[in-house]
Amino acid sequence: KQEVTQIPAALSVPEGENLVLNCSFTDSAIYNLQWFRQDPGKGLTSLLLIQSSQREQTSGRLNASLDKSSGRSTLYIAASQPGDSATYLCAVVRGYGKLTFGQGTILTVHP
Amino acid sequence: EADIYQTPRYLVIGTGKKITLECSQTMGHDKMYWYQQDPGMELHLIHYSYGVNSTEKGDLSSESTVSRIRTEHFPLTLESARPSHTSQYLCASSEFDSLWGYTFGSGTRLTVV
Repeated sequence: KQEVTQIPAALSVPEGENLVLNCSFTDSAIYNLQWFRQDPGKGLTSLLLIQSSQREQTSGRLNASLDKSSGRSTLYIAASQPGDSATYLCAVVRGYGKLTFGQGTILTVHP
Repeated sequence: EADIYQTPRYLVIGTGKKITLECSQTMGHDKMYWYQQDPGMELHLIHYSYGVNSTEKGDLSSESTVSRIRTEHFPLTLESARPSHTSQYLCASSEFDSLWGYTFGSGTRLTVV
């Protein structure tokens, strides 16, 4: 059974810091891995998708890496801003497009 | 604009009532999903569909049922709501075995009193 773990559970940083969120998964047989952002009381916004054959993806200040063999992914956020405050979710895609989520990292960026 | 819509956003309802949570997408995606998220907990897949007339149970057992009569529409029904059904329900869609990623709705926050 696929299990996804995210570390840390919560993170509070001052504005401007670079930070790393970690995600690990137990079964390397994945189609791809996706990072989402969830704001309180709202749905999920897709941030980055890394296909299983890729090593990393970048979008603006965000960079996500994938090491399928070791079952790890990291999300790097450069020059954090208060607007980045949200819960960040890592999810692996299994057969038929089904997602298995981690519990998330709650990020707070204070001015 | 391509999007996925869920209604209602919030619902407070009494025990024993029948409820239907609506989900519609305008992207023509073949695959649609329902995820359940209890407060402070991770999302769990409760139902999915490959296409019209296809529905399957997800990882988390649920007393709800779903139907897929039209590509764009994937409603979730609870025949008799109970307080244990209180949760947030998120609908999503994808295509091409998720090579293009997922689109999620804004969710329905259900409270059964």
